[in-house]
Amino acid sequence: QSALTQPASVSGSPGQSITISCTGTSSDVGGYNYVSWYQQHPGKAPKLIIYAVANRPSGVSNRFSGSKSGNTASLTISGLQAEDEADYYCSSYTSTYTWVFGGGTKLTVL
Amino acid sequence: QVQLQESGPGLVKPSQTLSLTCTVSGGSISSGGYYWSWIRQHPGKGLEWIGYIYYSGSTYYNPSLKSRVTISVDTSKNQFSLKLSSVTAADTAVYYCARVVAAGKLFDYWGQGTLVTVSS
Repeated sequence: QSALTQPASVSGSPGQSITISCTGTSSDVGGYNYVSWYQQHPGKAPKLIIYAVANRPSGVSNRFSGSKSGNTASLTISGLQAEDEADYYCSSYTSTYTWVFGGGTKLTVL
Repeated sequence: QVQLQESGPGLVKPSQTLSLTCTVSGGSISSGGYYWSWIRQHPGKGLEWIGYIYYSGSTYYNPSLKSRVTISVDTSKNQFSLKLSSVTAADTAVYYCARVVAAGKLFDYWGQGTLVTVSS
């Protein structure tokens, strides 16, 4: 199984919005609404921020939103804040009953 | 609040077996609706799913690691474990245990991670 494709890096200024894409295939992202997103600060464990494409766990800021079109899922962060600077990973359940992650995107808040 | 904590040797020699345990607190590993999973992250790289176990003992592994991986559960201790055999330097990584919500196929709670280095 190949990793999902994410941009290596994105950047934005405080207050701006950014979008991170996550491209897979019809066997993972396109075939299921089981796409989730994780935020990882340096030296820390990943934290769930979006599940089932567009749902936020309790306690996660509504500045984080998710969507999907075809084989590509997207994470949008609006009103960028310095604390959003982190690595972001997408994940999808697959047709072979496994999970696949994206390669990760480093978000820099300028 | 569910908490997971990995434990085990931080250094393993090449060709030997890596063994880690994840202790779950704040919830029972025997409660239905959850899988218990291992995920690893090579230094400076992305995440790789290793496999999961259900409290009943049923397992599913990443096909790329299947021949070397065994995940087991001890419900009496509220723990699950990972064994990875015939390790090489390519298995050097931070290993995380995580809870999977079966219905939503999401990883909602993670351990802090433990670095395992394979070196002689």
